[in-house]
Amino acid sequence: DAGVIQSPRHEVTEMGQEVTLRCKPISGHDYLFWYRQTMMRGLELLIYFNNNVPIDDSGMPEDRFSAKMPNASFSTLKIQPSEPRDSAVYFCASTRGGEAFFGQGTRLTVV
Amino acid sequence: GIQVEQSPPDLILQEGANSTLRCNFSDSVNNLQWFHQNPWGQLINLFYIPSGTKQNGRLSATTVATERYSLLYISSSQTTDSGVYFCAVVTSGYKLSFGAGTTVTVRA
Repeated sequence: DAGVIQSPRHEVTEMGQEVTLRCKPISGHDYLFWYRQTMMRGLELLIYFNNNVPIDDSGMPEDRFSAKMPNASFSTLKIQPSEPRDSAVYFCASTRGGEAFFGQGTRLTVV
Repeated sequence: GIQVEQSPPDLILQEGANSTLRCNFSDSVNNLQWFHQNPWGQLINLFYIPSGTKQNGRLSATTVATERYSLLYISSSQTTDSGVYFCAVVTSGYKLSFGAGTTVTVRA
């Protein structure tokens, strides 16, 4: 398996623009997580899904953030409108109830 | 929520030295993982170790769940071991709660 695949690897956008981050989990994994990493806050969980259903979105910082998982092999994290404070590395991870594996992350810069 | 504390926060090693990183957690956990974040930002799985001891080459880890801690041992360190080491625990729903990490710098 190719592991968890995220795209794009890097994204630079202007404040106010919509940003969509994408994730393909490992085949057969039924849990998918979105994390954000910043210097100030470290790695924090934003939202996670089980069998494509959002289970806990308490970590989503604001209504500007939304996440979807239309099927078992694809998830998106959308920020609309984006702000400079959203600049961070966003990681996607998946598991089937045991060891979790992370994608390479998307480095988002909002200018 | 659960508190995950890692120590030391920073560690500078001479190549060839051994070291121990510690992870304390404040509540019972279902699982525990150690990760290495390399200088390129990738999170590399090191160990999945809810309890007991595991070894992988120069690295080994021990988790004593009843006493709420885990240790990561690095032996004969190499410059490629540099990076940030994270401990992460699972309490419910398989979601990982991360510690702040230990930044390891190995000098040649």
